[in-house]
This record gives sequence, structure tokens and C-alpha cells, in this order.
Amino acid sequence: EPEVTQTPSHQVTQMGQEVILRCVPISNHLYFYWYRQILGQKVEFLVSFYNNEISEKSEIFDDQFSVERPDGSNFTLKIRSTKLEDSAMYFCASRTTSGLSTDTQYFGPGTRLTVL
Amino acid sequence: AQSVTQLGSHVSVSEGALVLLRCNYSSSVPPYLFWYVQYPNQGLQLLLKYTTGATLVKGINGFEAEFKKSETSFHLTKPSAHMSDAAEYFCAVGVQTNSGYALNFGKGTSLLVTP
Repeated sequence: EPEVTQTPSHQVTQMGQEVILRCVPISNHLYFYWYRQILGQKVEFLVSFYNNEISEKSEIFDDQFSVERPDGSNFTLKIRSTKLEDSAMYFCASRTTSGLSTDTQYFGPGTRLTVL
Repeated sequence: AQSVTQLGSHVSVSEGALVLLRCNYSSSVPPYLFWYVQYPNQGLQLLLKYTTGATLVKGINGFEAEFKKSETSFHLTKPSAHMSDAAEYFCAVGVQTNSGYALNFGKGTSLLVTP
């Protein structure tokens, strides 16, 4: 069964460094998402991406964050200058479209980001 | 704003007992409601969803949930718990966006199943 994959599974970085989290969505999916979960808190929506542009973003997704689909398979989340509070589990998700706006979002296993 | 509240961060049941995980929603429009499960070291997997139509929704692994508008609830149930059901369960509401919807999750409920 097709699945969303994410790399790395765990990333440790120093405060102020740039990180890139990578996701490979399911191949025929057209909508892509990033969510994050700070330890002990709920999963929060960051951004959605469709047709090579951001379609929606939350208040969390400030200028330090960016997303890109550099080729036909990868979907990346970049944090330019990491802060301690960016430490979290980051989930990628993707969705196909059959014309129904409620098609299921399929999630990857997550990347745990630790900022020291 | 559309949101969900999960009552109980930890629930413990005996193997074979009824599983009941509670979720209440807040929404000014007819909600899209979801239950996801997360097994250790895995991603979030959809158990079931409610969009329109029948209010009793059946999902995978024997789980079901009933949308009750009068109670603003979408509780998840399973008649008989298995050891393999031990996991983190997340209720979510779909918030309409320009390209479909984004999920607004609850804090999650950790289910422990004891022999």
C-alpha cells in the first residue's frame, strides 16, 4: 500500500541553524500539508500546498518557515533559523482529489526535530 | 473557530472490555469529523470520518463513532478491546480552507489495554 515517507526520523540541530525536513507524498496526490506536535501538546496545522504554491497557512507558519516541491516527488519544509521552541514532531500529509474536499489526508511517520 | 476537545488524556481498559474515547466539537457550521490513530513510531492513520449522511460511522479495526449534533459529540467506541488497540487516538475537525480542509486536532487520548 502506498505511504507517505519522511526523512530523517530524528534531526538534532543547534539554535540558529537551518534545517530541511523532507517528505515523499503518495505519488498521485496533489495536496500536501505540514503539521507539527510539540511534546505534550496537540497536533497543529502549519501549511497546505497545491499547484506549486501555498494555499493556506497558520499563524505559526511565519517568515522563518518555507515549503517547496523541488521535483516531482519531494516536498520539503525549511526552517531558516531554528529556535528552541521549534522542537517538535513534524508530520507531512498528502491528499488526492476526486473532487471531494474531504478526501482523506494520509500522514507520514514524522520527523522529530530537537533544537539545542 | 472550529475545535475539538478530547476528554481524558489516558484511558485504560481490560482486554475484551468496551472502549469509549470521548470527543466533543465546537463548530458554527456542519462539521467534518475524523478519528486518527497513532501506533508507536508510526504516522497518523485514519480510523473513520464523518462528513454527511449516516450519523453512525464504521471504521477500520472494529471501531465506530456516532455523530450527535444535539450533544456536539463524536465519541469513538469498540465493543471489545484487543491488546493491539493500545495506541494514541486523535479526534479532529476539518476546517475549510482554499484547497479543501485543514485538520484541527484534539490533544489525543492514550489507550492502554491490560490483560
